Amino acid sequence: GQQLNQSPQSMFIQEGEDVSMNCTSSSIFNTWLWYKQDPGEGPVLLIALYKAGELTSNGRLTAQFGITRKDSFLNISASIPSDVGIYFCAGLTRDMRFGAGTRLTVKP
Amino acid sequence: DGGITQSPKYLFRKEGQNVTLSCEQNLNHDAMYWYRQDPGQGLRLIYYSQIVNDFQKGDIAEGYSVSREKKESFPLTVTSAQKNPTAFYLCASSISSGDWGYTFGSGTRLTVV
Repeated sequence: GQQLNQSPQSMFIQEGEDVSMNCTSSSIFNTWLWYKQDPGEGPVLLIALYKAGELTSNGRLTAQFGITRKDSFLNISASIPSDVGIYFCAGLTRDMRFGAGTRLTVKP
Repeated sequence: DGGITQSPKYLFRKEGQNVTLSCEQNLNHDAMYWYRQDPGQGLRLIYYSQIVNDFQKGDIAEGYSVSREKKESFPLTVTSAQKNPTAFYLCASSISSGDWGYTFGSGTRLTVV
């Protein structure tokens, strides 16, 4: 099945820095979602995007639904240690497809 | 509180044995899903069920089986035919198929010894 291309695979940043990650696909999606997964736990939904061009914020998180409907990005501003985890993008049409994840490490 | 519960958290299986992973939800969701997660890869769909007594194969169904006899429950059996079963298994549910509101369980880590 169609998987999403998510980059970067991993990031090592200093506390306080901003983070940006993105997801691309050759397929069009009706909805883009971003999840965070803590070690040994299930993913938790961070942001959902429903319309091409939509820009949505949730606290320090900002995500955009690409105008072509084939991509999305997630920004985290002023990172803190609890931002550590794996961030997944997901695209939804009839079913949900996931990126391989971006592993974020935040150094205090 | 409503949620989705997976058990056990950790499971060890001997080669050649079948093992069943439990997934229970009290969210009144119609659709349920099983995903497999391997290091460095995204979640891959094993099976999904849109409604009670119905289920469909996902991308990697070989070596797995499911049942959906009750709305609340969607157990996954990892059979001896699954050649590389060691992985982290995630169960999810949503109000209906295609609904964006997937709620995930906390996962079961299966290790073959």
